Formats: sequence, C-alpha cells, structure tokens
Amino acid sequence: DTGVSQDPRHKITKRGQNVTFRCDPISEHNRLYWYRQTLGQGPEFLTYFQNEAQLEKSRLLSDRFSAERPKGSFSTLEIQRTEQGDSAMYLCASSLHWRSRDEQFFGPGTRLTVL
Amino acid sequence: QKEVEQNSGPLSVPEGAIASLNCTYSDRGSQSFFWYRQYSGKSPELIMFIYSNGDKEDGRFTAQLNKASQYVSLLIRDSQPSDSATYLCAVIGEGSGGSNYKLTFGKGTLLTVNP
Repeated sequence: DTGVSQDPRHKITKRGQNVTFRCDPISEHNRLYWYRQTLGQGPEFLTYFQNEAQLEKSRLLSDRFSAERPKGSFSTLEIQRTEQGDSAMYLCASSLHWRSRDEQFFGPGTRLTVL
Repeated sequence: QKEVEQNSGPLSVPEGAIASLNCTYSDRGSQSFFWYRQYSGKSPELIMFIYSNGDKEDGRFTAQLNKASQYVSLLIRDSQPSDSATYLCAVIGEGSGGSNYKLTFGKGTLLTVNP
C-alpha cells in the first residue's frame, strides 16, 4: 500500500489525558499537512510541513497541540490535556509540490473521542 | 476570511442522470481547485483537480472553472448509486510568504443517486 497511513484509526480517551497520532506520508512527497474535521463540516487546516520544517500553524492549533516531522519523514500530532471539544477526525495529507501543482492526498484519519 | 460555499443538499438524482455540483469561492487570487469525494465515516478522496479556466474531463467526471465568476463545478455523468457521497470543493489560496499550500474546504454537498 503506497498511500498515506495514519495510526491509530480510533482513539478514545478521558478528558485531561495526552494523545499522540502518527502519519506516514506517501514516500516521495515533500509536503505534509494536518487537518481536523468535525461532523457536517469540511476539513480545517491545522498545520503544514515542507520537508522537516513546520511553516505554518493555524490559529485553531492552541498551545496544547504540537506537531513534529523529524527528518522530513513521518509526522506526529500530540494533544495535551485533551478537552471534549477536541473530539474530531484528525486527517493527515501529503503532496508533491511541483510547478505550483499541489494535489493533496489524505490518509484514512484518526477519529478521536474525548469522554 | 477566505470562504468556499457549497449547497449542502441533499441533491438527489436518478441512476443514469447527470449530477451537477456547484461551488463559489471568495479569494480572487485562488489558483488551484479540487473536488474530493467523502463516503460516510471515511476520509476525503481526491477525484478531480483543475488549475485553468475551462473544462477538464476524466471519465464520467467533468470539472468546470470560471475564475472571473469565482465559480467551479463538478458534473457526474451516468450517475451510479456508488456515487452517493458528500462532495467537497476545496481551494488553495495564497499562504504566508507567497507559498500556496493550504486547502480551504466548503462544507460539502450530499449527493444521493437513486436506483
């Protein structure tokens, strides 16, 4: 399977706990993105990496959220002190940016439920 | 704030008919336009992208872009029950530092194809 993979697919946690999600992009892609989607809404941008550099964080990403992409390969998204409002589908996407073209392909997502 | 607007639907068409999905966007500087299909409980799947004014056809799908009217559409010919899904319109505007990368999504249109 050469698509974007995410782990875990589902996570149930109690309020106040920390959670970490992993994303493995398509191997030749140089850009990696995190989005969040709640019911009835389109995905919303959270953050973006060009290789290993994190180039933008959305205002949606409070200081409880941190993302890393060591060595420009896989990425992790950590949420500290989870709140019920963090319950959502967390989507990772990757792309190969070339000549202003940037088709983004999504992984299966991690569905987070905060009790 | 950059916005992407879609009719939420549901749009219901009989099997074999043409389904027409519409999208408008507010950022006149947008250069890249995408249609994603999302089945219930699944992640978005890229089905069409278009960068230039006019029509782009791929199998049963045709994307149409009119930058002057800030309008993009998706036509699905010979609609099948398996096409029943939410269709998300997404646009890449200009990010910080002049780099285009961030997808802004509409809320999606629910399409139902009736056998």
